[in-house]
Amino acid sequence: DGGITQSPKYLFRKEGQNVTLSCEQNLNHDAMYWYRQDPGQGLRLIYYSQIVNDFQKGDIAEGYSVSREKKESFPLTVTSAQKNPTAFYLCATTDRGLFGYTFGSGTRLTVV
Amino acid sequence: AQKVTQAQTEISVVEKEDVTLDCVYETRDTTYYLFWYKQPPSGELVFLIRRNSFDEQNEISGRYSWNFQKSTSSFNFTITASQVVDSAVYFCALSEANNAGNMLTFGGGTRLMVKP
Repeated sequence: DGGITQSPKYLFRKEGQNVTLSCEQNLNHDAMYWYRQDPGQGLRLIYYSQIVNDFQKGDIAEGYSVSREKKESFPLTVTSAQKNPTAFYLCATTDRGLFGYTFGSGTRLTVV
Repeated sequence: AQKVTQAQTEISVVEKEDVTLDCVYETRDTTYYLFWYKQPPSGELVFLIRRNSFDEQNEISGRYSWNFQKSTSSFNFTITASQVVDSAVYFCALSEANNAGNMLTFGGGTRLMVKP
């Protein structure tokens, strides 16, 4: 079945550590996105990529980094520079936005 | 810049009541797409509907209906005869056709609680 796989489902990070969230898709979509959701709030765009080896900052990119070495994969690294990383992270893909967006099941990151 | 506002942060109804979730958007683009998503407690986003700016026809799908009015920049969502399973957070979102990144901009969400 085509879809998006995010892993892990839950992630705990110690302060000062970098962690990487995985997002893999087999939909053959060009565009991929990372969103952050804080409790009781909407989704905010962190980074997006429209093509392999290219990505752009979203509204809240500070403290995060991404790579897009393969069409299927768009990992997000939460660096130690991100001061408040505890949140729910969602990955999404689209076929140029025309036919909707597909979301992964999310990763819940907690700083301990 | 695009913006989506969902003024109702939380709504509580009793089962079988009808409920309308409001969505107001801002965009300078003439071609855009509007979406509604449902987020159950498990967290994933479930796609409900996509509407393009040229199609103002209202749409009904079972107990769900959507009222798109360009004159008021609104895209409201009504659930008829609500059920406990409708309890979730609902997001309205906007994507502009001329936005190179095709990003979705989300409203803050409306938490719907349906009590038995």
